[in-house]
Amino acid sequence: DAGVIQSPRHEVTEMGQEVTLRCKPISGHNSLFWYRQTMMRGLELLIYFNNNVPIDDSGMPEDRFSAKMPNASFSTLKIQPSEPRDSAVYFCASSRLGPDTQYFGPGTRLTVL
Amino acid sequence: QKEVEQNSGPLSVPEGAIASLNCTYSDRGSQSFFWYRQYSGKSPELIMSIYSNGDKEDGRFTAQLNKASQYVSLLIRDSQPSDSATYLCAVEFYNQGGKLIFGQGTELSVKP
Repeated sequence: DAGVIQSPRHEVTEMGQEVTLRCKPISGHNSLFWYRQTMMRGLELLIYFNNNVPIDDSGMPEDRFSAKMPNASFSTLKIQPSEPRDSAVYFCASSRLGPDTQYFGPGTRLTVL
Repeated sequence: QKEVEQNSGPLSVPEGAIASLNCTYSDRGSQSFFWYRQYSGKSPELIMSIYSNGDKEDGRFTAQLNKASQYVSLLIRDSQPSDSATYLCAVEFYNQGGKLIFGQGTELSVKP
């Protein structure tokens, strides 16, 4: 079975540009999580969805960040406008509902110049 | 105060030794606990999950949970250089709908 798919794997952009990260969860999983990882702050949960509905977005750093899940097989995380401090690895993970193993995608390494 | 804390690394052990990784958490109502391994430049992958007090063994790995002390640990027996990675402790706090809180991770280095 295919795991969590993320695209792009690497993104280099200039400050002020819009960035869109994409995620396809594992088929049959009802929960989807967006994380950001940096050396300084570790792995931080940004937002998560259950059955396509955002449940907790308290980790979203500011209004420049937004996330959508229009259907069970696709989610996006958008940063507009991007800033150099947004440079990090962004992971998407999915799981079945409830306390269950989260499976991580390969991540998107974002560099904002 | 951090919600999930791990012993600071890096932790260095010789090949064949037992590596002990520790984690404490702040929510007494937590029910689900996970250990993830992350190689440099890769994504986290699950090693163990544990839900009940006591020990859970899987090959060379043993997870230990003590809810009264709010403590979970991971033991790696017969450590191998391929075990060198960062180990992340994750806790699902009570009634959080699957949301996990991760510790900062402990970097383990196994020397041949």
